[in-house]
Amino acid sequence: GAVVSQHPSWVICKSGTSVKIECRSLDFQATTMFWYRQFPKQSLMLMATSNEGSKATYEQGVEKDKFLINHASLTLSTLTVTSAHPEDSSFYICSAEDNTEAFFGQGTRLTVV
Amino acid sequence: AQSVSQHNHHVILSEAASLELGCNYSYGGTVNLFWYVQYPGQHLQLLLKYFSGDPLVKGIKGFEAEFIKSKFSFNLRKPSVQWSDTAEYFCAVRGGGADGLTFGKGTHLIIQP
Repeated sequence: GAVVSQHPSWVICKSGTSVKIECRSLDFQATTMFWYRQFPKQSLMLMATSNEGSKATYEQGVEKDKFLINHASLTLSTLTVTSAHPEDSSFYICSAEDNTEAFFGQGTRLTVV
Repeated sequence: AQSVSQHNHHVILSEAASLELGCNYSYGGTVNLFWYVQYPGQHLQLLLKYFSGDPLVKGIKGFEAEFIKSKFSFNLRKPSVQWSDTAEYFCAVRGGGADGLTFGKGTHLIIQP
């Protein structure tokens, strides 16, 4: 099946710094990718829909200025957590879809100290 | 907004036991329904999906699910579980014009040898 690669798998950063997470579809082109966030013992929550060549669509309650999404090519979307704070610590997961199903990255564990 | 409810957060079974995990969703229109599995340390993987047609859907690894529209349910079943089925199981729904998936909170399944 199709593969979605997410990098890094984990990152620790200092409060106030920014962190970039990459999501790549390795063997197919994805005009749309999705970013999810998962808190401990909770479900994945959709943060935003990343559209190639256009602005991302954010879910209600997600700060677009804090979570910057760029989808510059059909195989790459990036999520930048700007001015990170401890409450941004979470598990971030991206997905990309071909015509029939969504494929997920392995996730990025972000810890802000 | 749509929501997905998984009734069992933790399930412990012995090998060869039968499994049924409940999933109910709230949206009344046309939906696409999914079950994903996440083995420890791995990506989310699609077990099965329902878009239309036969409401009894067969997936990988012997899993199946039945879409009952009148009950807004999409329960996952397996006649005889194996130790290797130990994992986290997520029900997800797409509908109402939303592009991304709405996930349930997940069910942690533990199979005892």
